[in-house]
Amino acid sequence: LAKTTQPISMDSYEGQEVNITCSHNNIATNDYITWYQQFPSQGPRFIIQGYKTKVTNEVASLFIPADRKSSTLSLPRVSLSDTAVYYCLVAPNTGFQKLVFGTGTRLLVSP
Amino acid sequence: GAGVSQSPSNKVTEKGKDVELRCDPISGHTALYWYRQSLGQGLEFLIYFQGNSAPDKSGLPSDRFSAERTGGSVSTLTIQRTQQEDSAVYLCASSWTLGQGYEQYFGPGTRLTVT
Repeated sequence: LAKTTQPISMDSYEGQEVNITCSHNNIATNDYITWYQQFPSQGPRFIIQGYKTKVTNEVASLFIPADRKSSTLSLPRVSLSDTAVYYCLVAPNTGFQKLVFGTGTRLLVSP
Repeated sequence: GAGVSQSPSNKVTEKGKDVELRCDPISGHTALYWYRQSLGQGLEFLIYFQGNSAPDKSGLPSDRFSAERTGGSVSTLTIQRTQQEDSAVYLCASSWTLGQGYEQYFGPGTRLTVT
């Protein structure tokens, strides 16, 4: 599995846009990039997944450059409730692979 | 609809005792996963079931850990002769099929404390 590297923590304020970047230099051709969000005392929740370029849903956007060696999760206009740990995962989309969540990025949104 | 449920939500046990943790996946999901999360750490994969196929047990940390999935639905994770290092949150997840974007739906977890 491709190893991912992301910042341990980030701070932001309500209403700001937050961009969390994940590095995955060894990403394979058939790997997809997936982000999960985890609130305290809850299991992780799927946010978004992409393969290349840009993906947007009602929660976030995911930007993936052409070389796919990194990706950026963008959260528009964060609120206090976006305070959570965000995990970047890289894994193929066919066949089961052990998912390695890493320690994630702890985002703290302040008033 | 109902999400993944796990029971108990909290379990305190004495060192050396056996414990059973239960997971009810989302109805119709064929894949079921168990993870462990120690305090402040990421998730550690334990075991995976896909339909009626033999489970992938490669993540189980020792032979004290076992899991079964009955009828392709409910799963039980059993830890025998618990040790203090087994203390963690045990998370169960399910998904529709392999490779569907790895959108796994997680339960709330069982917090296990071994005293």
